[in-house]
Amino acid sequence: QVQLQESGPGLVKPSETLSLTCTVSSGSISSYYWSWIRQPPGKGLEWIGYIFFSGSTNYNPSLRSRVTISVDTSKNQFSLKLSSVTAADTAVYFCARVSHYFDSWGQGTLVTVSS
Amino acid sequence: QSALTQPASVSGSPGQSITVSCTGTSSDVGGYDYVSWYQQHPGKAPRLMIYEVGNRPSGVSNRFSGSKSGNTASLTISGLQADDEADYYCSSYTTSSTLVFGTGTKVTVL
Repeated sequence: QVQLQESGPGLVKPSETLSLTCTVSSGSISSYYWSWIRQPPGKGLEWIGYIFFSGSTNYNPSLRSRVTISVDTSKNQFSLKLSSVTAADTAVYFCARVSHYFDSWGQGTLVTVSS
Repeated sequence: QSALTQPASVSGSPGQSITVSCTGTSSDVGGYDYVSWYQQHPGKAPRLMIYEVGNRPSGVSNRFSGSKSGNTASLTISGLQADDEADYYCSSYTTSSTLVFGTGTKVTVL
């Protein structure tokens, strides 16, 4: 069973860029799509975007101008960058394997935007 | 894209059946058989319970079932158990090749 683990800073200052990495283990990153999802405290899930192992991407239209997802197949990792963050970007960020559904999830990591 | 619409809460007694609805549009729920359902206990990652409208992953109890009619999908939990108390989210693929989640439903076992 593939396993995913998010990593990155838990605190980001307003206007800066949030950067997270998801490491995939017990399976190859190749031949699959990989996604980021977030959940603000006490609120619902929001899909951020996905990337194919070849590098093609698609993003949530509401975040498209600020999001970049990239992949490093040599490290079995994919990454999220979210620019110009505000307090509204405070959330638990999950990475997941995706086809038309999310079948494997990381445990999630809380990122707080605060000065 | 707008979130799919779910009731905020649904409750039932142990042993009963409950149904959670998920309403979208012809651009998402109604356009594809790519509706999935997730269970989330507090502080945990979501867990896939149903994919492609009515398919259960290995390890998910057959008490969970899914269906779809038009722009509305449904998750039914039969023989309700205490551990079924959780938040449930639907998700759908869309005509823009994006994915969208529902607003979420809190299921309470009375």
